[in-house]
Amino acid sequence: NAGVTQTPKFRVLKTGQSMTLLCAQDMNHEYMYWYRQDPGMGLRLIHYSVGEGTTAKGEVPDGYNVSRLKKQNFLLGLESAAPSQTSVYFCASSYLVSGRAAGINEQFFGPGTRLTVL
Amino acid sequence: GESVGLHLPTLSVQEGDNSIINCAYSNSASDYFIWYKQESGKGPQFIIDIRSNMDKRQGQRVTVLLNKTVKHLSLQIAATQPGDSAVYFCAFDNYGQNFVFGPGTRLSVLP
Repeated sequence: NAGVTQTPKFRVLKTGQSMTLLCAQDMNHEYMYWYRQDPGMGLRLIHYSVGEGTTAKGEVPDGYNVSRLKKQNFLLGLESAAPSQTSVYFCASSYLVSGRAAGINEQFFGPGTRLTVL
Repeated sequence: GESVGLHLPTLSVQEGDNSIINCAYSNSASDYFIWYKQESGKGPQFIIDIRSNMDKRQGQRVTVLLNKTVKHLSLQIAATQPGDSAVYFCAFDNYGQNFVFGPGTRLSVLP
């Protein structure tokens, strides 16, 4: 199992350019997430998905769009990049447990994408 | 919105000593809590978790304590080693939909 993979690992954009970050997981997880991490700060949730074909806004969704057309993939798009979007982006996935311990379970994280917007 | 906070943003301990990292949370409805370790240049890595029906859980050299009355979570690392140097995040589930992360505590292990 590769776990959670992200492409690309690094990217430099100019203000106003667009790009798509790809996240893939091979663990058949229902839930997928996109976070951004800025220096000295924790992880802030951008968007997430609770299943194929669904997406929901997180804490900082503005300026980003997402799609989950296939269960194993979660795409994060920047339509018009801004310097404020310079950050490290992490994708994660988790599964849902049923029964007595019902609920979401631990998240598995990808290695991150370092994005710089000039 | 819901929040998670940490009492100490940085922690320095001597090698071999025990480390305690604390976390306060605000969502009393949360059912699931996790501690993550993040090394430089890497994604967060799961350490240990605990559900709300427990108040203590032990792993290998790590123990998580949950006090629901005061909404407090702690991570104890026994016999801290140089390899434990990292940033540690607590997180809790947000109504079963996603997770809220704390800002992190940097643990430095002194030789």
